[in-house]
Amino acid sequence: KQEVTQIPAALSVPEGENLVLNCSFTDSAIYNLQWFRQDPGKGLTSLLLIQSSQREQTSGRLNASLDKSSGRSTLYIAASQPGDSATYLCAFENNAGNNRKLIWGLGTSLAVNP
Amino acid sequence: SQTIHQWPATLVQPVGSPLSLECTVEGTSNPNLYWYRQAAGRGLQLLFYSVGIGQISSEVPQNLSASRPQDRQFILSSKKLLLSDSGFYLCAARDSLNQPQHFGDGTRLSIL
Repeated sequence: KQEVTQIPAALSVPEGENLVLNCSFTDSAIYNLQWFRQDPGKGLTSLLLIQSSQREQTSGRLNASLDKSSGRSTLYIAASQPGDSATYLCAFENNAGNNRKLIWGLGTSLAVNP
Repeated sequence: SQTIHQWPATLVQPVGSPLSLECTVEGTSNPNLYWYRQAAGRGLQLLFYSVGIGQISSEVPQNLSASRPQDRQFILSSKKLLLSDSGFYLCAARDSLNQPQHFGDGTRLSIL
């Protein structure tokens, strides 16, 4: 069964800290690994997409890495700000030809305190 | 860039009533379209996806159905809602399989 596990489920940090969110997945034959952000009661916003041939992607203060052999991805947030407070979701896209779909984790709820 | 419109934002319906949720997409043509449900404590569940007009693939057997009458319109329907249909329904679109999905703001559906 294809699964995604995100640890921790919730995280509370003071403003300015660097932090790491973890994601593990069961299928090494992935097509890509994606990180999303979800604000309360809202839809999802795509943050970073890492193709299976890549090791990491960066956007501003965000850096995501991918290690297919160990089935892990991390999202690194530098110099966290209160505006970073949200739920961060990890998902991998399976490599199933025309039947590809995203397999989702339950997310990490992040609170950055001023 | 793409904009995904969903309405209504919230909906309260009695058990056994019909449902119609609409999603429209701007800023792209011939997108892949998706309906998800997000229930408390559970990950996003893919319900339906569509690669073109009139082409619908169902992921989970249930009393819901989907239709794509126009290129950028995706509709989620039910003839008779169940209590278990409560949840947060999200529509998503993407230009190609190499691009991330873009999401609407969702519809919060409560069944009484």
